[in-house]
Amino acid sequence: QKEVEQDPGPLSVPEGAIVSLNCTYSNSAFQYFMWYRQYSRKGPELLMYTYSSGNKEDGRFTAQVDKSSKYISLFIRDSQPSDSATYLCAMSVYSSASKIIFGSGTRLSIRP
Amino acid sequence: NAGVTQTPKFQVLKTGQSMTLQCAQDMNHEYMSWYRQDPGMGLRLIHYSVGAGITDQGEVPNGYNVSRSTTEDFPLRLLSAAPSQTSVYFCASRSTGETEAFFGQGTRLTVV
Repeated sequence: QKEVEQDPGPLSVPEGAIVSLNCTYSNSAFQYFMWYRQYSRKGPELLMYTYSSGNKEDGRFTAQVDKSSKYISLFIRDSQPSDSATYLCAMSVYSSASKIIFGSGTRLSIRP
Repeated sequence: NAGVTQTPKFQVLKTGQSMTLQCAQDMNHEYMSWYRQDPGMGLRLIHYSVGAGITDQGEVPNGYNVSRSTTEDFPLRLLSAAPSQTSVYFCASRSTGETEAFFGQGTRLTVV
């Protein structure tokens, strides 16, 4: 069993829709939860991260962590065609000097 | 701003050939890592380093060697290339005390 599981999609939604992306994990020691966005033929870039449980909001993006269920989510409100990319969840035990383990990524397409 | 620089961007190897993928960062980051990205598999950690002279294995280390003689450079060596090593390789770095990892643009390697 992989430490981090993510539905690979692809996911296609109309512009303006709310998008929900999810990951589950098995290692209860994970404390830092990240979402990376990767455009085609580019390296991943950090979108946002949260520490432990709870919600974090940044503009149209909201990250949620439920440690009791080992489940994290990323919500995108008012989705735009420019949001079309692959979204990877990632997790680590410590904030630094520790391995970051990635999910398989979900390919998202926003239709104009 | 150079950030993380990977060379080459593209490479075709014959089975059994050896080569080194270069990675350099100019942000004085202590932590560096190599990932490979395959369709449906996400990013899988090959090797990582928490500082000059210190390296460790990730999830898929077989067939790859690394060394870290300076803070800036973290080369990845393929000793005897196999078709199973056809992939996109990403180098990443981050600073201790920071969560965000910065990725290079990737090296697309094909082994025939």
